[in-house]
Amino acid sequence: DAGVTQSPTHLIKTRGQQVTLRCSPKSGHDTVSWYQQALGQEPQFIFQYYEEEERQRGNFPDRFSGHQFPNYSSELNVNALLLGDSALYLCASSVQWGSGNTEAFFGQGTRLTVV
Amino acid sequence: DAKTTQPTSMDCAEGRAANLPCNHSTISGNEYVYWYRQIHSQGPQYIIHGLKNNETNEMASLIITEDRKSSTLILPHATLRDTAVYYCIVRVGGGTSYGKLTFGQGTILTVHP
Repeated sequence: DAGVTQSPTHLIKTRGQQVTLRCSPKSGHDTVSWYQQALGQEPQFIFQYYEEEERQRGNFPDRFSGHQFPNYSSELNVNALLLGDSALYLCASSVQWGSGNTEAFFGQGTRLTVV
Repeated sequence: DAKTTQPTSMDCAEGRAANLPCNHSTISGNEYVYWYRQIHSQGPQYIIHGLKNNETNEMASLIITEDRKSSTLILPHATLRDTAVYYCIVRVGGGTSYGKLTFGQGTILTVHP
């Protein structure tokens, strides 16, 4: 059973460009959450998708947007890239509802470098 | 979600038990304690979680005080591969909160040969 997969693993973009990151959740999971982790910092919650809708959002500008597909996979889009957007972007999958508390599973991340 | 306080860093000798403390004095009755770790440049990895009873799995043990204001993660026989940042996270269980985690600074655990 494949866990959470993210692509690409590394990416270099120029300031002002747009980028799309992809995530496939763990089998049986229906919710995808995205995090940004700057170098030396803890992960920061960006937003969460369930049933193809954004359900929760952290303190990130509208340049950060996302999408969830019927197969539960998800994309993170960032427009007008800034140097400060350079970070490790993590995807976490989970279930929305369960009989007990379940943990979130993380992918290995996409390392985005903006130059 | 309740705020947590962890030591910035800790050292441990290989083969010895590593005891990582976490304070969560404002925890509510419906909030769980979760532990994740992150090995350098990898995604965070779930370790264990609990509500009020002590928990044990193949990776670690979690000891929660009776008043639930603090907890300790125990790695019984630390190895070099356990060197990582350990995050203690407190959150409400159920529903949309499953995937939303509020990370603190965490504890950098270094296991020495």
